[in-house]
Amino acid sequence: NAGVMQNPRHLVRRRGQEARLRCSPMKGHSHVYWYRQLPEEGLKFMVYLQKENIIDESGMPKERFSAEFPKEGPSILRIQQVVRGDSAAYFCASSPLSGGLLNEQYFGPGTRLTVT
Amino acid sequence: QQQVKQSPQSLIVQKGGISIINCAYENTAFDYFPWYQQFPGKGPALLIAIRPDVSEKKEGRFTISFNKSAKQFSLHIMDSQPGDSATYFCAASKAAGNKLTFGGGTRVLVKP
Repeated sequence: NAGVMQNPRHLVRRRGQEARLRCSPMKGHSHVYWYRQLPEEGLKFMVYLQKENIIDESGMPKERFSAEFPKEGPSILRIQQVVRGDSAAYFCASSPLSGGLLNEQYFGPGTRLTVT
Repeated sequence: QQQVKQSPQSLIVQKGGISIINCAYENTAFDYFPWYQQFPGKGPALLIAIRPDVSEKKEGRFTISFNKSAKQFSLHIMDSQPGDSATYFCAASKAAGNKLTFGGGTRVLVKP
């Protein structure tokens, strides 16, 4: 059973460009979470999605950031008009359950975004 | 209300020693407390988790202790090995909300 897949692993963008980060959850998982990790810091929740639905986007910046998880294909985190402060590692996690006794989230290897 | 505070920020322990990392939370609605291990350049890996209906959980050399009244929980790594050198994160969530709130991390270095 393959783990959570993320691509690309490394992404370099110039200020003002768009960044698209992809996440394929573990097989059988239909819940996806995105987290951001700034250098030397902990992970911060951004958004929680199920297929075709955004469940919780309370951690998403109000502008330039969007996320989707279509019926077919990977979840996409999109950052428009990137700025240097967007440079970070972006992690996707997936979970098979929601609202249950356990909330085991399994993380992918991350995408390291560098904005020049 | 959503904060999880983790200490210490860094820890050096001799091989065979015990590593102890502490976390405190504020939100009494949290009811799931996992610990993650992260190596440089890798994603966090789920290590062990506990719910507040038990005070202790042990898996191999890793033990979580939970104090509900104090709103604190800790990770003990027994017989620490150089391969345990990593950054450890505590986290908390509500079952209904699902999003994980992470502590700031503890960088553990086990000296041979």
